[in-house]
Amino acid sequence: EPEVTQTPSHQVTQMGQEVILRCVPISNHLYFYWYRQILGQKVEFLVSFYNNEISEKSEIFDDQFSVERPDGSNFTLKIRSTKLEDSAMYFCASSDPGLNEKLFFGSGTQLSVL
Amino acid sequence: DAKTTQPNSMESNEEEPVHLPCNHSTISGTDYIHWYRQLPSQGPEYVIHGLTSNVNNRMASLAIAEDRKSSTLILHRATLRDAAVYYCILRVDQGAQKLVFGQGTRLTINP
Repeated sequence: EPEVTQTPSHQVTQMGQEVILRCVPISNHLYFYWYRQILGQKVEFLVSFYNNEISEKSEIFDDQFSVERPDGSNFTLKIRSTKLEDSAMYFCASSDPGLNEKLFFGSGTQLSVL
Repeated sequence: DAKTTQPNSMESNEEEPVHLPCNHSTISGTDYIHWYRQLPSQGPEYVIHGLTSNVNNRMASLAIAEDRKSSTLILHRATLRDAAVYYCILRVDQGAQKLVFGQGTRLTINP
């Protein structure tokens, strides 16, 4: 079965540094999402993206966050100046508009901010 | 977003059926009932979804109450690999609609 690929699997950064988390969604999917999960807590929605623009974003997704689809295959999440509280597992997901009931999630990138 | 209520945890034995309940008394007519699960150290995984009628797929069955205020995910024969957190989520299937995850039910399977 096709899958969503995320890189890197682990990323360690210093507070205040910029990080870019990368995702390769399933090739024919058109809806893209980022979620995060702080250790021991719920999976939280960050942002959805369609047709090269943000469809919806949560309160967590402030000016420090941005998303981009720089080419036909990648979908990135950038955190401009990381904070300690940004430490979490970040999941990318995608869905097919023809089968929109099913979101496919990647295995996640564990971000540790020191 | 309409809310769902699930037990925090459940336990079952390997090769026995498991019934995971979910209450969603404020469900609206356009809400689909979705179930996802999250295995340890992995991303969420789609299990099944339905609107009004009961649904079956290779992973599980979904039984939906006639008034749609509750539903039950049925794993017919649990394996150790089914140990996960199971999430019941209401979602309108329109556009890039987000999933809103609750705490879910942590299912433990005993060998």
